[in-house]
Amino acid sequence: QVTLKESGPGILQPSQTLSLTCTFSGFSLSTYGMGVGWIRQPSGKGLEWLANIWWDDDKYYNPSLKNRLTISKDTSNNQAFLKITNVDTADTATYYCARTTGRGNWFAYWGQGTLVTVSS
Amino acid sequence: DIVMTQSPSSLAVSAGETVTINCKSSQSLLYSGNQKNYLAWYQQKPGQSPKLLIYWASTRQSGVPDRFIGSGSGTDFTLTISSVQAEDLAIYYCQQYYDTPFTFGSGTKLEIK
Repeated sequence: QVTLKESGPGILQPSQTLSLTCTFSGFSLSTYGMGVGWIRQPSGKGLEWLANIWWDDDKYYNPSLKNRLTISKDTSNNQAFLKITNVDTADTATYYCARTTGRGNWFAYWGQGTLVTVSS
Repeated sequence: DIVMTQSPSSLAVSAGETVTINCKSSQSLLYSGNQKNYLAWYQQKPGQSPKLLIYWASTRQSGVPDRFIGSGSGTDFTLTISSVQAEDLAIYYCQQYYDTPFTFGSGTKLEIK
């Protein structure tokens, strides 16, 4: 059974760095073809893909966030991470991690999401 | 970036009716190397995470009822829900995975009368 769960700070101030953790089970990020992506959703709005990381440590980023994103993984502890630097109120959203595979970049399994609020 | 345009933005139907949701991409999602359309559909019920319904434009994810049907090719795609049930109340999103950045449509909100 594949499960994912996001964790984050809940609230942070503008200009700080947002650190998110995705803890998963039921698959390994060391297995050929496996990947984890991060997607966010402001309240009442649509979905925005942020980044993917793959079993071979290849990484894809959404260029709209320019150089603010860093995705990484800890294979031995079944975790993936996302850092967003220099946050502002526009980064307020629910952040999801989701599993994808090399067969195609759809997201078959999603976490419950973690709400992040950026406020001074 | 590939822009995904969904229509309508919302609709309300009675249980038992058939619903059609449209998704149009700004460029073709059909890859000539394998003749597959790089498009997925998701369902997001109130207060829940998105759930994958369809990938490769028409392949149902395991466990998804067969009343959910994906069709289309190239730039024009459709999600059809036949015999809508009250539990289908949700927002439906299309997503292209042909190229990065992966992009989603703005969603179609389905309400049950």
